[in-house]
Amino acid sequence: QVQLQESGPGLVTPSETLSLTCAVSGASISSYYWSWIRQTPGKGLECIGHISNSGNTNYNPPLKSRVTISVDTSKNQLSLKLSSVTAADTAVYYCARRGYMDVWGKGTAVTVSS
Amino acid sequence: DIVLTQSPDSLAVSLGERATINCKSSQSVLYSSDNKNYLAWHQQKPGQPPKLLVYWASTRESGVPDRFSGSGSGTDFTLTISSLQAEDVAVYYCQHYYGDSWTFGQGTKVEI
Repeated sequence: QVQLQESGPGLVTPSETLSLTCAVSGASISSYYWSWIRQTPGKGLECIGHISNSGNTNYNPPLKSRVTISVDTSKNQLSLKLSSVTAADTAVYYCARRGYMDVWGKGTAVTVSS
Repeated sequence: DIVLTQSPDSLAVSLGERATINCKSSQSVLYSSDNKNYLAWHQQKPGQPPKLLVYWASTRESGVPDRFSGSGSGTDFTLTISSLQAEDVAVYYCQHYYGDSWTFGQGTKVEI
């Protein structure tokens, strides 16, 4: 059974960098595409970006300049870095497997506030 | 970027009745090289992450009740719940995974 578990700081200071990880169990991270998605009350579900099984990344254009997605195969985990955060980045962040997102993590809530 | 527009934004359906949700894409998500529509449907209940119901536009995910079905091709897609049950109250999202930048529809809230 494949399971994903997001983790990271629940509170981030404006202008700082948000860093999250997604621990993957039950599947090899190097065998699939992986995505980060976030959800805010005002904007619904938003794809942040994804990384392919060959390590190629694609980012949502409005976020592209601030986002880095990577994988650590030794730890079998996915990472997200979002720089220069503002209150608009307050959201629940999810990781998911495959383009059609067949497995989701439970999500981690992030608040951007001083 | 491809924009997905769902209709309606919300609907109320009696128990046992049919619910139909539409998703229109601003451009085709049918990939000619494999003849597959890169379109999925997800269900989200309060306090939970989304759950995959349908992928490739019409393939039901394992374990999903057969009252859920997806149809359509190109730019127009439909999710049908043939006989609404109380546990189907949720928000439903279409999502495409065509090309480099993937997006979701705005969601459709289904109530009894």
